[in-house]
Amino acid sequence: DAGVTQSPTHLIKTRGQQVTLRCSPKSGHDTVSWYQQALGQGPQFIFQYYEEEERQRGNFPDRFSGHQFPNYSSELNVNALLLGDSALYLCASSQTGVSNQPQHFGDGTRLSIL
Amino acid sequence: GNSVTQMEGPVTLSEEAFLTINCTYTATGYPSLFWYVQYPGEGLQLLLKATKADDKGSNKGFEATYRKETTSFHLEKGSVQVSDSAVYFCALIRDDKIIFGKGTRLHILP
Repeated sequence: DAGVTQSPTHLIKTRGQQVTLRCSPKSGHDTVSWYQQALGQGPQFIFQYYEEEERQRGNFPDRFSGHQFPNYSSELNVNALLLGDSALYLCASSQTGVSNQPQHFGDGTRLSIL
Repeated sequence: GNSVTQMEGPVTLSEEAFLTINCTYTATGYPSLFWYVQYPGEGLQLLLKATKADDKGSNKGFEATYRKETTSFHLEKGSVQVSDSAVYFCALIRDDKIIFGKGTRLHILP
């Protein structure tokens, strides 16, 4: 049973570019959440997708957008990259209908902005 | 608002020492509480959880008890191993959104 998978593992971009990160949820899960983890910090909630719509959002600018596909996989897009966007981006999945259950995390995509 | 505060690291212990990592939370209502662990170069793994007051979560020798009266969820282990070296995150969940503490780096010396 595959867990949460993310791609790519590492990515290097320059300021002003755009990036797309991908996530496949754990089998049986239908909800995907994205988190940003800056170096030495705890993960910060970006947004959550369910039924192909953004269900809730954290305190991140509109440069951060996402998408969920019918197979429950998800993408995180970041436009106009800034140096401060350098971080580990984590995807987590869960099953709607089971309230406040722990989420399962992937190994993350490490994004470096030059 | 909802928040989690945990002791700052790094924490350095010798193998077989007793471990405590303090965690307190602020939240409306009664959130579920978690401890996640992050090994170098990896994502987060759920270590243990507790969903209501006085619940004790346990896994791999680690324990934490949900204390509503002190709004705490301290992580303990009686005898740590070198393989326990990692970063530990205390977290709560409200409305399906996880709020994490800043993490505590644990380093165990052989």
